[in-house]
Amino acid sequence: AQSVTQLGSHVSVSEGALVLLRCNYSSSVPPYLFWYVQYPNQGLQLLLKYTSAATLVKGINGFEAEFKKSETSFHLTKPSAHMSDAAEYFCAVSARAGGTSYGKLTFGQGTILTVHP
Amino acid sequence: DAMVIQNPRYQVTQFGKPVTLSCSQTLNHNVMYWYQQKSSQAPKLLFHYYDKDFNNEADTPDNFQSRRPNTSFCFLDIRSPGLGDAAMYLCATSRGGRLGSYGYTFGSGTRLTVV
Repeated sequence: AQSVTQLGSHVSVSEGALVLLRCNYSSSVPPYLFWYVQYPNQGLQLLLKYTSAATLVKGINGFEAEFKKSETSFHLTKPSAHMSDAAEYFCAVSARAGGTSYGKLTFGQGTILTVHP
Repeated sequence: DAMVIQNPRYQVTQFGKPVTLSCSQTLNHNVMYWYQQKSSQAPKLLFHYYDKDFNNEADTPDNFQSRRPNTSFCFLDIRSPGLGDAAMYLCATSRGGRLGSYGYTFGSGTRLTVV
């Protein structure tokens, strides 16, 4: 079984400030981890993913996330927030699958990021 | 660009009147998923196809059905929509094999309103 917990349903930052969105996972097997962003009335767009290579993963739009196995965390950060970053962010986990088996994404509840001028 | 396209973007249907949402992809991905996302909630998986192999989630209501006539297209049928079925419906695709590492490509969604 796998699950994701996103700490904080709403995060508010000032433009130019650090963005930190928290995600902790639970998985009975080594996981794949993802961050998605969703703008209003849009689908989900992949920001970045961890697939067992480097633990620090860089994504689009200046975001990055670090996989910390000891803390079962995969927090999303961006050094300097921009107004266009305002959106909802979802952390997701997928169990590693080999051969012809397949994994399903399990999403966290989402964190709405608000950026103030 | 290769993509996942959902039609229509907005759908209004009457209570109890069958409705079909469509999804097409040009990615040639093996797997297609349908998610339901209600306001301020995480997407919830309804079912998925691995090629022609249909996989229903245990808690997906019987009111929801799906068809995949070929690799490119997948349909979501709601036989008798209720007010509680109003939501954003998201289609996603993924490559087969070791799917866990690839993540999904999502369409823009269809916002369903039931009146």
